[in-house]
Amino acid sequence: GQQVMQIPQYQHVQEGEDFTTYCNSSTTLSNIQWYKQRPGGHPVFLIQLVKSGEVKKQKRLTFQFGEAKKNSSLHITATQTTDVGTYFCAGPSSGYALNFGKGTSLLVTP
Amino acid sequence: DTEVTQTPKHLVMGMTNKKSLKCEQHMGHRAMYWYKQKAKKPPELMFVYSYEKLSINESVPSRFSPECPNSSLLNLHLHALQPEDSALYLCASSRVGTAQETQYFGPGTRLLVL
Repeated sequence: GQQVMQIPQYQHVQEGEDFTTYCNSSTTLSNIQWYKQRPGGHPVFLIQLVKSGEVKKQKRLTFQFGEAKKNSSLHITATQTTDVGTYFCAGPSSGYALNFGKGTSLLVTP
Repeated sequence: DTEVTQTPKHLVMGMTNKKSLKCEQHMGHRAMYWYKQKAKKPPELMFVYSYEKLSINESVPSRFSPECPNSSLLNLHLHALQPEDSALYLCASSRVGTAQETQYFGPGTRLLVL
């Protein structure tokens, strides 16, 4: 399946600082999805991006899909302790499945 | 109702035991998935059922045996597991079985094989 590379692997920020995680693919993606997994929890769907250059916002979270549909980013403005967790991007693999990036683990210190 | 339920939440088993993991959804979804997740790793796809038929088997050892009794239920039968099989086993469902669909994950079963 198509591999999605995700960086950074870990990010430790002070509460109130911004945070960004990036996903890159060597091939064009039909769509990309983002999931959040809290410590001890399970992945929870955040958003799906489909269109070239698409930007979507959810409160302090901004998601972007690149013009070439090969990269995506998630930016969190003014992080809070509730943002702690691992953020995964996922692109299509076979016709049925998702191929998850390795995830970015975010730690927010009060 | 956007909930996927899984039982049990925790399971400890010996290498000679036979056990089953259960997953249920009532969202009318026609695709269901089993994933395996090791600590600090992304979920790894094991099996996909689409319209109650096994669509994908990601070269999973035969000691894992999936079953889809109906469109709402998904089981994973475990037999003669190895300690390295200890992991979080996640069930997910989606409206249909395409990679464009949102997947809804259950809380998982934390499995420890001794």
